[in-house]
Amino acid sequence: KAGVTQTPRYLIKTRGQQVTLSCSPISGHRSVSWYQQTPGQGLQFLFEYFSETQRNKGNFPGRFSGRQFSNSRSEMNVSTLELGDSALYLCASSLTGKANYGYTFGSGTRLTVV
Amino acid sequence: AQTVTQSQPEMSVQEAETVTLSCTYDTSESDYYLFWYKQPPSRQMILVIRQEAYKQQNATENRFSVNFQKAAKSFSLKISDSQLGDAAMYFCAYRSPNTGNQFYFGTGTSLTVIP
Repeated sequence: KAGVTQTPRYLIKTRGQQVTLSCSPISGHRSVSWYQQTPGQGLQFLFEYFSETQRNKGNFPGRFSGRQFSNSRSEMNVSTLELGDSALYLCASSLTGKANYGYTFGSGTRLTVV
Repeated sequence: AQTVTQSQPEMSVQEAETVTLSCTYDTSESDYYLFWYKQPPSRQMILVIRQEAYKQQNATENRFSVNFQKAAKSFSLKISDSQLGDAAMYFCAYRSPNTGNQFYFGTGTSLTVIP
C-alpha cells in the first residue's frame, strides 16, 4: 500500500513569504503529526491532528498552523517566513494516534528560506 | 518536558560485527513507550524497534535488539551482524499517553558501517 506522501519534496522561499506543505497519510490512518527537523534543535513536535481536530500542539509561534481535511490529508502553513524556519518538515500518520501504535513517516519537505 | 539523551553523536562498526547505541531518558511517567528510528539519506524515518515500558522482556526484531533498563532509564540498541544498509542516523524516541502522545526524540547517532 502507498506510504505517507509529502509534497513538495523541496521548496525555496524568500523571507517574509508564506508556505503551505502537504501530507497525505496512509489510507485509513486518521492521525497526522508534523515535526520540524533542524541540525541545531533536532526533531521537534509541531502539532497533531485527528479526525480534522487539532489534538495537540508543540511550542511553536502562531505563524505555524495546520489543518486536516475530511479525507485525513493534512496541510501545514508557515506565514511570514524567517531564515530560522529552514528545516526538514516531516509528517507522520497513524491509525489511531495512540502512544502504543507505530507511526509511519514520510520523506519530508526540505524548506529553505533565503 | 521529557528528555531523551543520546551521548554518541557518531559511531562506526565493521561489517558483520556488533554495535550498541546508547540512549537514556528522563520521565516521571509509568506508562510510556520507547522506540528506535532509523533515518537513511532518503530522509524517511523508519521504525526499527519498539519497547513497552510495562514489559520486562527486551524487544527483538531480527538483528536488532534492545537492552531496556527501566530503573536506570536506559534503552540501548544492539545491532548484530551489521550490514552496509544499516548505515544511517539512529534516533531514540519516547512517547506517553500522559504527555500528548507526541514523540520526544534524542539528538541522534550517526552510524557508519565499514566494509
